[in-house]
Amino acid sequence: RKEVEQDPGPFNVPEGATVAFNCTYSNSASQSFFWYRQDCRKEPKLLMSVYSSGNEDGRFTAQLNRASQYISLLIRDSKLSDSATYLCVGGGGNKLTFGTGTQLKVEL
Amino acid sequence: GAGVSQTPSNKVTEKGKYVELRCDPISGHTALYWYRQSLGQGPEFLIYFQGTGAADDSGLPNDRFFAVRPEGSVSTLKIQRTERGDSAVYLCASSPRGASGGLGTDTQYFGPGTRLTVL
Repeated sequence: RKEVEQDPGPFNVPEGATVAFNCTYSNSASQSFFWYRQDCRKEPKLLMSVYSSGNEDGRFTAQLNRASQYISLLIRDSKLSDSATYLCVGGGGNKLTFGTGTQLKVEL
Repeated sequence: GAGVSQTPSNKVTEKGKYVELRCDPISGHTALYWYRQSLGQGPEFLIYFQGTGAADDSGLPNDRFFAVRPEGSVSTLKIQRTERGDSAVYLCASSPRGASGGLGTDTQYFGPGTRLTVL
């Protein structure tokens, strides 16, 4: 079983839709959690950190449930430019553990 | 300011050859990481440097892989006797402090990667 698991998708949604991604992690020692965005043939870029209290950055909302070892990302009013792969990431000490990524395609 | 840079951007080599991949971290970042990303997968941790020393090399797949960071800045990932299975994108990342004593993982900034193809 992978340490961080997420649905690879693709999720094909119309522009303006709300889309939610989920991931689960198995290492209860993980201390930090993130969502990274990766465009095709580019490096991963930090989208946002994830906290138990939930955090919002514009159209993006992230949530962590430590009891269920579950992380979510909600994108509201999706734009064409949101099309990318979203990587769920757990951090423990010095290294990041990435999921395989969920591919999002926003269409007209 | 300048981000993490990696050279070369692409490297094609033949099975059995030796390759070196270079990473220039963000200036002032003490922590440096190497990851490997295969097609359709997320990046996988290889090694972490805090300053000049390799603080965690648990992700190196075998003894053909070695990395150095002699002056605490630029790092080189070295792969001996390359195999076709080594083909992947090798990503370097840096962060200001690295592991922060139990307070969680510092934000890591990634370079564009080196795409290694072993024929």
